[in-house]
Amino acid sequence: GAGVSQSPSNKVTEKGKDVELRCDPISGHTALYWYRQSLGQGLEFLIYFQGNSAPDKSGLPSDRFSAERTGGSVSTLTIQRTQQEDSAVYLCASSSVVGGTEAFFGQGTRLTVV
Amino acid sequence: DQQVKQNSPSLSVQEGRISILNCDYTNSMFDYFLWYKKYPAEGPTFLISISSIKDKNEDGRFTVFLNKSAKHLSLHIVPSQPGDSAVYFCAAMSNSGGSNYKLTFGKGTLLTVNP
Repeated sequence: GAGVSQSPSNKVTEKGKDVELRCDPISGHTALYWYRQSLGQGLEFLIYFQGNSAPDKSGLPSDRFSAERTGGSVSTLTIQRTQQEDSAVYLCASSSVVGGTEAFFGQGTRLTVV
Repeated sequence: DQQVKQNSPSLSVQEGRISILNCDYTNSMFDYFLWYKKYPAEGPTFLISISSIKDKNEDGRFTVFLNKSAKHLSLHIVPSQPGDSAVYFCAAMSNSGGSNYKLTFGKGTLLTVNP
């Protein structure tokens, strides 16, 4: 596709369940970001993948959060044993990272933990 | 430690007037700056950028100014239109070697343009 695609667009889950959020970046983009935006808050950095380098996981809020990027393309963000405070919009972005190009965002996945 | 700061959570202006959104940064390694706009229920979209070798970049109604010595940038929107009402995020990155090009965002400023 032409843009960053995220699925599902909405996810409601019960507290304690695991969830997986998917991101399909723009083809050829080597950099991939995950952010989340809680209600009334700004963009919170979670994790950053750049090519074959070790990912920057410094933003992951707890060890319940993990992400992987397979084959340098699709990424999955996994939240284990979800808590109500995990409810947020999870945004994925990708960029070509050559000469300072901008990152393109997907529409996000709205996660609600009940 | 917040490296990119947008100290005004909200701003309200009249249609036709100028909107000025401010952003400060602390990391002197940042050399490329971007502004994103976000409508509710949508992902942020890129608006305009500026490299540290410039102090101004203009695109239609949007102009970004960079003051490196003050570590400050601003986005000017002239004239402001109701459709500009959105959350505006400032972002910064370092393009120098070893920085891994990670974008760092501010918390955003909600702009409301009143008709």
